[in-house]
Amino acid sequence: DTGVSQDPRHKITKRGQNVTFRCDPISEHNRLYWYRQTLGQGPEFLTYFQNEAQLEKSRLLSDRFSAERPKGSFSTLEIQRTEQGDSAMYLCASSSRDIGREKLFFGSGTQLSVL
Amino acid sequence: GENVEQHPSTLSVQEGDSAVIKCTYSDSASNYFPWYKQELGKRPQLIIDIRSNVGEKKDQRIAVTLNKTAKHFSLHITETQPEDSAVYFCAASNPPSGSARQLTFGSGTQLTVLP
Repeated sequence: DTGVSQDPRHKITKRGQNVTFRCDPISEHNRLYWYRQTLGQGPEFLTYFQNEAQLEKSRLLSDRFSAERPKGSFSTLEIQRTEQGDSAMYLCASSSRDIGREKLFFGSGTQLSVL
Repeated sequence: GENVEQHPSTLSVQEGDSAVIKCTYSDSASNYFPWYKQELGKRPQLIIDIRSNVGEKKDQRIAVTLNKTAKHFSLHITETQPEDSAVYFCAASNPPSGSARQLTFGSGTQLTVLP
């Protein structure tokens, strides 16, 4: 599968712990997005990278959340001091200007459960 | 910011019948409207999209219509098949000038095609 890959698929953690997720976009895509999806809802935008630069962040992204894309390839999303309200599916997506930068290709997501 | 409302939340149709899902958006500056299909436990996948400079677009059994004046757009699936059963999300893109495009998603429609 040469699509967007995310790791891990599932993460169970205790409240207060830190967690980190990884996303590997489609190799030629320079744009990378993080979204969050809760049950019964559509994905909500969290943040966006163009190459290694983080260009936009949603107000949903509290200071406990940090995202990086150090070399413009893979990205990590870290949540510090997790809370039960952080439980959700975290989706990564990538896009390329060549095929239409708005056309997002999603990964399968990381399902986070905070106990 | 943009607000996208989607109806109905659930839809059941007999195999072979048509299905219609409707969305409204709030920001008249939005100009890109994709539809995503998400099967249970899988990633959202783009199935069709439309830009604000056209009123209708078709791709085999799927069509999308856009009414900019009324700020609503619809997904039409004809000759439905059991494999069309999934959650469908509409979205609208409202980029701040000079910025990246972020999608605001609707809350989804669970389509069930009954054999």
